[in-house]
Amino acid sequence: AQTVTQSQPEMSVQEAETVTLSCTYDTSESDYYLFWYKQPPSRQMILVIRQEAYKQQNATENRFSVNFQKAAKSFSLKISDSQLGDAAMYFCAPAYSGAGSYQLTFGKGTKLSVIP
Amino acid sequence: DTGVSQDPRHKITKRGQNVTFRCDPISEHNRLYWYRQTLGQGPEFLTYFQNEAQLEKSRLLSDRFSAERPKGSFSTLEIQRTEQGDSAMYLCASSPRGLSYEQYFGPGTRLTVT
Repeated sequence: AQTVTQSQPEMSVQEAETVTLSCTYDTSESDYYLFWYKQPPSRQMILVIRQEAYKQQNATENRFSVNFQKAAKSFSLKISDSQLGDAAMYFCAPAYSGAGSYQLTFGKGTKLSVIP
Repeated sequence: DTGVSQDPRHKITKRGQNVTFRCDPISEHNRLYWYRQTLGQGPEFLTYFQNEAQLEKSRLLSDRFSAERPKGSFSTLEIQRTEQGDSAMYLCASSPRGLSYEQYFGPGTRLTVT
């Protein structure tokens, strides 16, 4: 079974500070994509950032960046200059080629609180 | 883009009843996914459509569940003879053609089986 581990059930960060959320995954596939999604309370899932496994360069999207270590199967998310609106549940989700669907396999999530 | 929409947003039903949910993907997205999310957990994959063809089904999708995507546009997910264990948020996501494989989610349908 392909597993995704988010070892931090809850994290907190002061507004304007930086926080890193960790994620490790387990797969024998070579072709896959990695995603971080954000789910604010009672709101829908929002795509934060995407990384292709074949790319060595870490993805960056404004205040969000990743540290992708393919050999270690690690995919952490760094949020810089944290804002109150960043408070949410964050899910790490690899998408494997498998049967061709590239379905997402979600971790259990990390609940991020932002302290004013 | 108007985004992925789902209907209804909330559904309360009695055990044993049938329910049907609808998902309208972002227009021109040819890939469509259904997931189920229970409280405190990440979503779990249920099934995948490419255009009108259902290409993959999870073992979670028991024979009481059926999904369709006629004409490759909207999709429906039906649950027959609902059980209390079916209570969850049912999420739909769509993805465009090409190699990005990014999925865009709808707001979900929250099902409560009493």
